[in-house]
Amino acid sequence: GAGVSQSPSNKVTEKGKDVELRCDPISGHTALYWYRQRLGQGLEFLIYFQGNSAPDKSGLPSDRFSAERTGESVSTLTIQRTQQEDSAVYLCASSPFFSNQPQHFGDGTRLSIL
Amino acid sequence: GENVEQHPSTLSVQEGDSAVIKCTYSDSASNYFPWYKQELGKGPQLIIDIRSNVGEKKDQRIAVTLNKTAKHFSLHITETQPEDSAVYFCAASNTGNQFYFGTGTSLTVIP
Repeated sequence: GAGVSQSPSNKVTEKGKDVELRCDPISGHTALYWYRQRLGQGLEFLIYFQGNSAPDKSGLPSDRFSAERTGESVSTLTIQRTQQEDSAVYLCASSPFFSNQPQHFGDGTRLSIL
Repeated sequence: GENVEQHPSTLSVQEGDSAVIKCTYSDSASNYFPWYKQELGKGPQLIIDIRSNVGEKKDQRIAVTLNKTAKHFSLHITETQPEDSAVYFCAASNTGNQFYFGTGTSLTVIP
């Protein structure tokens, strides 16, 4: 597909379980971003990957959150020992290497912690 | 770091009227300002953007203006239609490719 693809689209899990969210960026996009969006709220930055540089992890809310990216392809966001406050939509975006280019967003993973 | 403020948080207009959403930013190094529209259950979609070497950009019913001196930029939607109802986000970015988002404006167009 031409756009950013995220899976699963919905995830319901019990408190304390680990979850893994996946993002397939647009081919050729070197930058990849993860955001969290709570119901009715704005976008909360989590982590940013740019090519082979060290990721900017400054937005990760706790050590239960981690993310990986292999080269310029798929990224996974992992949340360990989920808590109810982790319930949100997790959005992924990608953009080209050059600055001043827009981000392209996926439709997100809606995560619900019971 | 950069701080982007967006107003108003909610906006209701009659169909056919204009809507204006305003954002301010704090970092003079920011040089790229996209606007996104987010419909329910979807990710944000780019609707228009402006770079710091330009003062205004227009695309049909949508326009964006930028005042670098005052560090503010605005989205203008003319002849609003019910399908314009959505949440709109402004953002600011610099050469580091980091994006800073406003808190969003929920626009309702009343038929």
